[in-house]
Amino acid sequence: GQQVMQIPQYQHVQEGEDFTTYCNSSTTLSNIQWYKQRPGGHPVFLIQLVKSGEVKKQKRLTFQFGEAKKNSSLHITATQTTDVGTYFCASNAGGTSYGKLTFGQGTILTVHP
Amino acid sequence: DSGVTQTPKHLITATGQRVTLRCSPRSGDLSVYWYQQSLDQGLQFLIQYYNGEERAKGNILERFSAQQFPDLHSELNLSSLELGDSALYFCASSGAPGDSPLHFGNGTRLTVT
Repeated sequence: GQQVMQIPQYQHVQEGEDFTTYCNSSTTLSNIQWYKQRPGGHPVFLIQLVKSGEVKKQKRLTFQFGEAKKNSSLHITATQTTDVGTYFCASNAGGTSYGKLTFGQGTILTVHP
Repeated sequence: DSGVTQTPKHLITATGQRVTLRCSPRSGDLSVYWYQQSLDQGLQFLIQYYNGEERAKGNILERFSAQQFPDLHSELNLSSLELGDSALYFCASSGAPGDSPLHFGNGTRLTVT
């Protein structure tokens, strides 16, 4: 079945440093979604990318979808302690399993003040 | 507040028992998804319903079953519980399968002793 691999699994940064997490697939993705889960919380939708090469920004967060639609990245500039949490990418299987949103393993971000 | 309601918040039960987790989707959402989150497995897709019908199935154990009722609320039934079933179970809802972002409930933490 479809898998999205996410790296790194853990990332520890000092406040003010940048952070990037990557999501890779062996198959072409119809779209990619990003979610953030705060410690003790539930995943919260951040953004969806659908077009090849698409780049979207939300304040300090920059999301990219690869030209081949097989990879995506989330970059946070100048991290803050409020950025702590697990960041997940997710994508649909497509076809008859279109509703099956598969999540990557997530990147756990720790920000040291 | 995502608008998705899950009950109960916590559940502690013994091996071999059966439990029912309940989910009310966001108002207007027709799709309901169930995910299992354990420490070493990330977010594992279990099953999805759309307007009362099963739409997509993940690696859901035969001991687990779910349904979506005419009022669109959903229940996840877990039987013959094992220690390894201890996890956080999330329900999520969306408007349409596939393209819409998922809105997650706060989850039910199941502990099997």
